[in-house]
Amino acid sequence: DAEITQSPRHKITETGRQVTLACHQTWNHNNMFWYRQDLGHGLRLIHYSYGVHDTNKGEVSDGYSVSRSNTEDLPLTLESAASSQTSVYFCASSEFPVLDTGELFFGEGSRLTVL
Amino acid sequence: DAKTTQPNSMESNEEEPVHLPCNHSTISGTDYIHWYRQLPSQGPEYVIHGLTSNVNNRMASLAIAEDRKSSTLILHRATLRDAAVYYCTWNSGNTPLVFGKGTRLSVIA
Repeated sequence: DAEITQSPRHKITETGRQVTLACHQTWNHNNMFWYRQDLGHGLRLIHYSYGVHDTNKGEVSDGYSVSRSNTEDLPLTLESAASSQTSVYFCASSEFPVLDTGELFFGEGSRLTVL
Repeated sequence: DAKTTQPNSMESNEEEPVHLPCNHSTISGTDYIHWYRQLPSQGPEYVIHGLTSNVNNRMASLAIAEDRKSSTLILHRATLRDAAVYYCTWNSGNTPLVFGKGTRLSVIA
C-alpha cells in the first residue's frame, strides 16, 4: 500500500547541530508539507512544496529549510538546532489542491529533542 | 487572529451523538471547510470537508450554517475510539491548510 513515512521517529540532538528529518511518500503526490506541533499551539506550518524544485515558507519557517529534488521526498533541515525547536514534526502530502479532494495524508510524526 | 474558534474540550457519553462546533467568521464564499482529527500519538487524519451543503460520509456529518460563518461536525454515535483532538479549518485555492488548537473530545464509557 502507498504510504508516507518519516524518519527518524525519535531523535535527541544538541544545540547548534544540523538535523535533517526525512519524509518519503509513495503516492506520487505533488504537494508536500511540514508542520510542527507543540503543546498549546496546535499544528503550525513550517514549509511546503507544490512540486519538484518548488518550496514555500509557512508560518514558522525561521531556522528551517527544505529542498525538493524529486516527487517522493521533502527533507526538513534544521541548520543549527535550538532548544525552541524541540517539538513533534509532521509531514503531509496531497495529490490535488486540498480544496478539491479535501484529503491531506499525514505521517506518524518525528519527535525531536534539542538539549 | 485565529482563523477558526473551537471549544478547547468537550465530553460525550459512549453511543451518544456529538456535535462539535466551529466558528469561521472570516471565511469567504469559495473557501472550503475541512475537519481533521488526531488520535493519541498519531498524525492527524481527514474526517470530512464541504463548501455550502451539508455533507455525510462514513465517519461523520458536516452541517454548514447558511451564512457559512460556522459549522458543526456531527459524530452520530460516539465510541471510545473517537476520543481525539478535532480540528476545523478552511482554505482557498491551493493555499495550505492552517490548523488551530482544535477541540479535545473525551468519550466516557
